[in-house]
Amino acid sequence: KAGVTQTPRYLIKTRGQQVTLSCSPISGHRSVSWYQQTPGQGLQFLFEYFSETQRNKGNFPGRFSGRQFSNSRSEMNVSTLELGDSALYLCASSRGRNQETQYFGPGTRLLVL
Amino acid sequence: QKEVEQDPGPLSVPEGAIVSLNCTYSNSAFQYFMWYRQYSRKGPELLMYTYSSGNKEDGRFTAQVDKSSKYISLFIRDSQPSDSATYLCAMSALRVGRGSQGNLIFGKGTKLSVKP
Repeated sequence: KAGVTQTPRYLIKTRGQQVTLSCSPISGHRSVSWYQQTPGQGLQFLFEYFSETQRNKGNFPGRFSGRQFSNSRSEMNVSTLELGDSALYLCASSRGRNQETQYFGPGTRLLVL
Repeated sequence: QKEVEQDPGPLSVPEGAIVSLNCTYSNSAFQYFMWYRQYSRKGPELLMYTYSSGNKEDGRFTAQVDKSSKYISLFIRDSQPSDSATYLCAMSALRVGRGSQGNLIFGKGTKLSVKP
């Protein structure tokens, strides 16, 4: 069974640009969560989607947004990039909203110059 | 005071050693405790999941929760070079999964290196 896949794996952008990251969950998983991981702040929750609806949102500015498609694939978008947005962005999927176990993808490493 | 504190290490031990990884927390409402392992260039994977206080064992891994001291531990027996990774603790007041992945608070991780 294929795991969670994220594209692209690495990305370099400049300040002010926007970026879209993609996540394909494990087949049959309907819940997708996004996290930002940095050395300074650790792993921080961005948002969670289930059945194309955002169910939960972390404490991030409105420049961070996401969506989920009918096939459970999800994208997150960051507009007007700042240097501090450089991080590893992780996507995790779980079968349903009542599953404790979530499976993480390898992440997209974003560098903002 | 941060909600969850975890010594970043790095921690270096010889193969076969017993490893003790710890986290402290300040929120007495936390009831669900997890340990994740993250290899380099990979996402975290769930190792152990415990509810409330007590011990839980799974092979070479033992998770321990002491709610009175607000302290959790992960012990690794007979450590192997393949255990070299970053270990993240995570905790929540609500049962994770009920639309509450966002309630999980993670520690910053301890980097472990097991030398052959």
